[in-house]
Amino acid sequence: GAGVSQSPSNKVTEKGKDVELRCDPISGHTALYWYRQSLGQGLEFLIYFQGNSAPDKSGLPSDRFSAERTGGSVSTLTIQRTQQEDSAVYLCASKPGTYGYTFGSGTRLTVV
Amino acid sequence: GQQVMQIPQYQHVQEGEDFTTYCNSSTTLSNIQWYKQRPGGHPVFLIQLVKSGEVKKQKRLTFQFGEAKKNSSLHITATQTTDVGTYFCAGPGKLSFGAGTTVTVRA
Repeated sequence: GAGVSQSPSNKVTEKGKDVELRCDPISGHTALYWYRQSLGQGLEFLIYFQGNSAPDKSGLPSDRFSAERTGGSVSTLTIQRTQQEDSAVYLCASKPGTYGYTFGSGTRLTVV
Repeated sequence: GQQVMQIPQYQHVQEGEDFTTYCNSSTTLSNIQWYKQRPGGHPVFLIQLVKSGEVKKQKRLTFQFGEAKKNSSLHITATQTTDVGTYFCAGPGKLSFGAGTTVTVRA
């Protein structure tokens, strides 16, 4: 596609429920990143994919967080048993090589 | 990954004035990137600097990479209300973002 697409754009969920966030990167971009941004805060690195492999999962906050990428394209970030502190905007970014990243518009997650 | 520090965290600017935001790293960076995030939006790539001492301009924005490749700056001249937002610098690799400089403009 023309840009990085994320869905849903907004998600309200009850505490304890599982959620899945989707990222559809720009076609051909091999690297894909997930970040989290709390209100008024900077970008917190979560996980990075090169192709379908995730060489760096160091940013995942807990074992309730997992992510996968299939076919070198779409990625899904799953949060199990959501907590209120998981509320944030989850941003996905992809890049073609050594140049700049293109970010999606994000998923705003609210845990109530 | 590299840690980059940005100062100031907040910049309140009178419309028409100039300002500079700085990005500093304790280690040498192979490149540095700058992004702008408008309120309610997502980060948008502005530019990448690679060479020691490199200077690049985009209209009223001037980006500079230090000689030692450990620091960078973004200078905006004649600030406009359209410049409002948060400016992030980022090192290479897994993209170590600075905390950003949030710019507000008073007309």
